[in-house]
Amino acid sequence: DVKVTQSSRYLVKRTGEKVFLECVQDMDHENMFWYRQDPGLGLRLIYFSYDVKMKEKGDIPEGYSVSREKKERFSLILESASTNQTSMYLCASSSPIEAFFGQGTRLTVV
Amino acid sequence: RKEVEQDPGPFNVPEGATVAFNCTYSNSASQSFFWYRQDCRKEPKLLMSVYSSGNEDGRFTAQLNRASQYISLLIRDSKLSDSATYLCVGLYGQNFVFGPGTRLSVLP
Repeated sequence: DVKVTQSSRYLVKRTGEKVFLECVQDMDHENMFWYRQDPGLGLRLIYFSYDVKMKEKGDIPEGYSVSREKKERFSLILESASTNQTSMYLCASSSPIEAFFGQGTRLTVV
Repeated sequence: RKEVEQDPGPFNVPEGATVAFNCTYSNSASQSFFWYRQDCRKEPKLLMSVYSSGNEDGRFTAQLNRASQYISLLIRDSKLSDSATYLCVGLYGQNFVFGPGTRLSVLP
């Protein structure tokens, strides 16, 4: 059974904190993605990676960075968390024809 | 303008009804389209791929009209368990572009 695992289901962080969201996949996929999902806006792509040490900006990269040191792991970093980054964050990895999602991390920045 | 657009709903239908969702896309570069289903507080999961010739999976039928740039999903004999948000997705290169989703509530 394919699996994408995100390190936390719920996180509460303070404004200005550095936040790490971790994602691991066990399908040997080259492609990995980070989205955020907000009511009325749907899933918006933050960053994606096609290979180890490669990263590309998505539609809303401001305030975020990523790291892909190993094929199975893709990390999303909020350098200095702000309240407008309160959201549901979804990691995905994909084959050429299907995206598989982690269970999501609901991040609240207070 | 968003690349993939959907009516957000909600669509409230009685059990047993037939319901149809449409989705439009602005970038014709996509070669593949999909419908994903997302249950409340869960991650999206692939429901079905969409082919130009139309494809059917049990009570679900998907259709792609490239000339008009829209995708449709038809659900027949709807069940309570069909209540979810349905996401229209286009594959552009290696990126999956998601529509905002259409919420369906099937009522007893």
